[in-house]
Parts: sequence; structure tokens; C-alpha cells
Amino acid sequence: DAGVTQSPTHLIKTRGQHVTLRCSPISGHKSVSWYQQVLGQGPQFIFQYYEKEERGRGNFPDRFSARQFPNYSSELNVNALLLGDSALYLCASSLGTGNEKLFFGSGTQLSVL
Amino acid sequence: GQQVMQIPQYQHVQEGEDFTTYCNSSTTLSNIQWYKQRPGGHPVFLIQLVKSGEVKKQKRLTFQFGEAKKNSSLHITATQTTDVGTYFCAGIQGAQKLVFGQGTRLTINP
Repeated sequence: DAGVTQSPTHLIKTRGQHVTLRCSPISGHKSVSWYQQVLGQGPQFIFQYYEKEERGRGNFPDRFSARQFPNYSSELNVNALLLGDSALYLCASSLGTGNEKLFFGSGTQLSVL
Repeated sequence: GQQVMQIPQYQHVQEGEDFTTYCNSSTTLSNIQWYKQRPGGHPVFLIQLVKSGEVKKQKRLTFQFGEAKKNSSLHITATQTTDVGTYFCAGIQGAQKLVFGQGTRLTINP
């Protein structure tokens, strides 16, 4: 069985541009969460989606948005990129929205120049 | 808001020595999870603790959840080079989503 897949694996953008990151959860998982991990830090929660609805949002500006599709895949969008948005963006899937373990994808490494 | 603090930030040991990382929360946690992230990799789930005072073992790894459900620890006995990586605790308080500590990076001298 395939695990959580994310694309692209690496991305280089310039300030002011926007970016779309994609994630496909494990088959049968209905929840997708997005995390930002800056080098040397722990993952910071951005969003959780379950059954296409936003179930949680972390302390990130409105430049960050996400959505979940009927097949449970998800996109994370970031507008007006800043240098500080450079990070590893991790997608994690889980069965539901309870206190379940997360299965992480390999992440998208975003560099903003 | 909820904060989860981990200490130490870094730990370097000789292979065969023990290793412990500690996790403390500013608020009571409904449960706590532990993840391991290898260099260049992504976090991988290790275990979840739910009950006050709970202790769980996985081979050389021992996980504890404090009586007040505000702290936790991970102890590795007789480290091996395969234990290299960053260990994160992550806690959920109430309706909050999973909040990760900053991690403890373990390096091992063979």
C-alpha cells in the first residue's frame, strides 16, 4: 500500500510568488493535516481537514489556505511568499479527527529566494 | 496557548550509553505521542500514551507519561547507531490539534 505522497519534493520560488503543494493520504484515511517544519524545529500545525471541511487552523496568516477534495487529497496554498516561508511542508494523514497517530509524507522542501 | 517543551535540545552519546529526553507541557494533555525523524526524513510515529502514569516499552525504548499528564519521557537503553535522529513528543490538549515539541536531536559516536 502506498503511504502519504506529496508533490513536488522540492520547490524554489521568489518573494511575492504563490505556491501550491499537494498531498494524497493513505487509502482509507479521511483526514489530512499540514505542518510547517523550519530547520531545527518541531513541526508547526497549519491546518487539518476532514471530509473536505476545515477542522482546525494553526497560528498562520491568511496567506496560507488549504482545501480537501472528494478523494481526500489536499492542497496547501501560500500566497505572497516571504523569505520566512522557507521550510519543509509536511502532510500527514489519519483515519479521523480523533487523537490518532499521524502518518507523514516525505514533505515538500520550499525555498523562497 | 499550549506549549510543549523538550529537553535537552541536543544529546551526543557513545554507542552503548543510555539516552533520555524529557517533554513538559504547560497544560494537561489528553494524550502524548512520540515520533522519530531520521536526518533528511519525516516524522515516524513511535507510540501513544493515554493514561496517567502509563509506561510502555518497545524493545530498548521506554516511554512514560506523568501522573499529572503534563510530562513524559523517552529512555533508550544501550543506544545503537540506528537510534540516531530527532525525537519529538507531541501533545493534544482539549480540542487543540497535535502540538509538537522542538525535539531532541540524538547523535551517536560508534
